[in-house]
Amino acid sequence: NAGVTQTPKFQVLKTGQSMTLQCAQDMNHNSMYWYRQDPGMGLRLIYYSASEGTTDKGEVPNGYNVSRLNKREFSLRLESAAPSQTSVYFCASSEGRLNEKLFFGSGTQLSVL
Amino acid sequence: DQQVKQNSPSLSVQEGRISILNCDYTNSMFDYFLWYKKYPAEGPTFLISISSIKDKNEDGRFTVFLNKSAKHLSLHIVPSQPGDSAVYFCAAAVDNNDMRFGAGTRLTVKP
Repeated sequence: NAGVTQTPKFQVLKTGQSMTLQCAQDMNHNSMYWYRQDPGMGLRLIYYSASEGTTDKGEVPNGYNVSRLNKREFSLRLESAAPSQTSVYFCASSEGRLNEKLFFGSGTQLSVL
Repeated sequence: DQQVKQNSPSLSVQEGRISILNCDYTNSMFDYFLWYKKYPAEGPTFLISISSIKDKNEDGRFTVFLNKSAKHLSLHIVPSQPGDSAVYFCAAAVDNNDMRFGAGTRLTVKP
């Protein structure tokens, strides 16, 4: 049972380059999320998708775009990477009911030089 | 603004003793609270939760206490084991789509 799978695990970009982080879940969850984790800041929500076909901004959406490709997959795109986007990115999913715990992927360590 | 704060970046305890991790929040609209545990190179995993209508929830060695008037919650681990060494995140939610996390506390349990 894979749960939430993220790719890649590590990535180094130059300023201005673009890339897409991929996420897939096999738990038939309705809701999916992208978080970033920075030292001393905890996890902050970038974007979420409450259900297939919908996406909404979270706490820190600037510089990112997302696509909910289908119920399983939710991708995060950096169009023009900046050093401030150096972070660890986590994808998560939940059934989408109220007061549900989140299931997280193992993370992507991204460095922007 | 950080609405969920974990003021202790690290905590070290002896095996077999109690570990107490603390968390404060500022938003009185939060009505559901969770603790997640994170090992290196892994994503956070759910540990225990509590609804705002309760003041205590217990699951084996883990107990979460909620003091709404003080906007404070704590996680007690008794007895602590070396395998409990990890980073613990406190989280609070109004609904699933606005779950706020603290910065985490690194717990080290020494044999």
